[in-house]
This record gives sequence, C-alpha cells and structure tokens, in this order.
Amino acid sequence: AQTVTQSQPEMSVQEAETVTLSCTYDTSESDYYLFWYKQPPSRQMILVIRQEAYKQQNATENRFSVNFQKAAKSFSLKISDSQLGDAAMYFCAYRDYGGSQGNLIFGKGTKLSVKP
Amino acid sequence: GAVVSQHPSWVICKSGTSVKIECRSLDFQATTMFWYRQFPKQSLMLMATSNEGSKATYEQGVEKDKFLINHASLTLSTLTVTSAHPEDSSFYICSARDRVNQPQHFGDGTRLSIL
Repeated sequence: AQTVTQSQPEMSVQEAETVTLSCTYDTSESDYYLFWYKQPPSRQMILVIRQEAYKQQNATENRFSVNFQKAAKSFSLKISDSQLGDAAMYFCAYRDYGGSQGNLIFGKGTKLSVKP
Repeated sequence: GAVVSQHPSWVICKSGTSVKIECRSLDFQATTMFWYRQFPKQSLMLMATSNEGSKATYEQGVEKDKFLINHASLTLSTLTVTSAHPEDSSFYICSARDRVNQPQHFGDGTRLSIL
C-alpha cells in the first residue's frame, strides 16, 4: 500500500525567508501524482502545487516550487519569500495515475509558522 | 475554477439524532466524490468514495450503516451520520472530481459537534 511521510510536525520561518518542507512516499507504481495542499485555520483545503511523476521538470507556482526526486521517492516543497499568509498546515498527498478511484493519500502534515 | 459547496459548515446536535451533510459541485459534473474525516491536529482520513449512481466504497473500519452516503446525481452527494454520538464529533470534508486524472476540489468542510 502507498504511504506518505512528513517528518516535520512543525516548522518556522522568518517573513521573506525561504523554507523547505519535506515529504517522502512509498509506492510500487511508476505513474502517479503528488500534491501539496495548504490548510489555513479556516480549514479549507487549498491546492498549492501538483507534480506528475512522468515529468522530470519540477513544478513551480509563483513562490512555491518542488524538488521531486523520483528514485529517492522524495517530494519537498520550497516556499520562497515567505509571507504571513503562508502560515498553515501543509499536507503532502499521493494519488495513483488512472485505473483506480484516484483517492488521495495524505501525510500527517507540517504546521508552518511565519514570524514577522 | 471548479467550486464545491458543502453545507452546513457547522452543526451542533444532541446525541442520538441523525445529521445530513451535503456536498455539491457547482460548475462541473462530479463523477466521483470523496468523504474525509479530520480529527483536531490530524490529517484527513478517507472514509468512502462514491461514484454517481453506484453504492459507495467504504474504507476499512468505517461503518457503512453509521455513515450513509448517497450520490444520486452528478452534482450532489450526501453523508448522513445516523444516531450520532459524541465520538462522531469531528470535521468532515468532501471533495469531488469529474474525470479520473483531474484534481479533486474540496468543500469547506463541516464541523460536527454532538452533545
């Protein structure tokens, strides 16, 4: 069965600095998706970034980028120029590619605090 | 963008009552909907997956008679917590997608408190 591990329960970053959140996963599949979701105190789940496993190029969305290492099964999220609004729980998630219900498997989350 | 509306956002009720939570896709056809449960400071745990017009597939350990899921149309799924008890208090979130390889879109969640 697939698993997702986030080894950092909490992280802290100074405003305008850069922070990297770690995520590792385990799967026997070769094609899959990886996601980072943000959950602010409002508890709404917000998709931050998505990566298709067949793509070698790391996904980037404005200040958010990932370091996808397929062989190492690692998928870290880098947040540049951190802002106060980035403070939230961040969940790494895995999903099989097609051929199944496509449900998400979540890590336990990392709580990010941003210091002014 | 795709919008999923979940209602109610917060409900408080007495032990023994049944509570229905609605999840609607507003601008796309939700072929598949997912129901998650989230305890405080924990991750989302998938409860069940439902495809329109079919019976829901429940995850191991989730009581199907306790958590009734109906997905009768392409825009609406409901989760009914039957004879709710305090241990059922939690945050319930739905998500929906249209095609298999499309992202899931999440509702804003429902905070359920059973007294």
